Amino acid sequence: EAGVAQSPRYKIIEKRQSVAFWCNPISGHATLYWYQQILGQGPKLLIQFQNNGVVDDSQLPKDRFSAERLKGVDSTLKIQPAKLEDSAVYLCASSSQGIPLGQYFGPGTRLTVT
Amino acid sequence: AQSVSQHNHHVILSEAASLELGCNYSYGGTVNLFWYVQYPGQHLQLLLKYFSGDPLVKGIKGFEAEFIKSKFSFNLRKPSVQWSDTAEYFCAVRRGSTLGRLYFGRGTQLTVWP
Repeated sequence: EAGVAQSPRYKIIEKRQSVAFWCNPISGHATLYWYQQILGQGPKLLIQFQNNGVVDDSQLPKDRFSAERLKGVDSTLKIQPAKLEDSAVYLCASSSQGIPLGQYFGPGTRLTVT
Repeated sequence: AQSVSQHNHHVILSEAASLELGCNYSYGGTVNLFWYVQYPGQHLQLLLKYFSGDPLVKGIKGFEAEFIKSKFSFNLRKPSVQWSDTAEYFCAVRRGSTLGRLYFGRGTQLTVWP
């Protein structure tokens, strides 16, 4: 089966600019996660969707980050305006509501804010 | 707050040496436990998982991990490493819900010399 798809793979922007990342989960996976992985640290959850509803966004900096999953399939994460400390890899993952096999991760988008 | 500790940040071994990577977590309730691996240039992949039952779980590529509830630990082991095991290894913990967020450790970089 196809894995989790993400684009773009790399993005360089200046601070105060905006950026958007796209994720397409594994077909049939109802749960979608966005993680932020700063260099030297493990991934940290930003937001979790169950179908098109938000389950957990407690760690999302809502003054600048937003995410949506309008049709319960693919999702977009946006940062506006970006700060230097937003430089990180943004990972998308998905999981099935059925057999709990864990979360499947995409390749990530590496964001550099200059 | 939930935390996951990985004791070793960088481990260097020769081929055929035995491996043990430590992982401890702080949550006292029911947990699901995972080890993920990230090979150079690739995305995070599930290595093994523990949900319930036998505390000794076997994963792919000869890896195994033991859940010791009294020690809040889930150490990863492999009796004989190969050069191809060079990667970053992340321990992750999820509270009882099968769809909840994962809390990741900061990762351990394993380098295996041929």
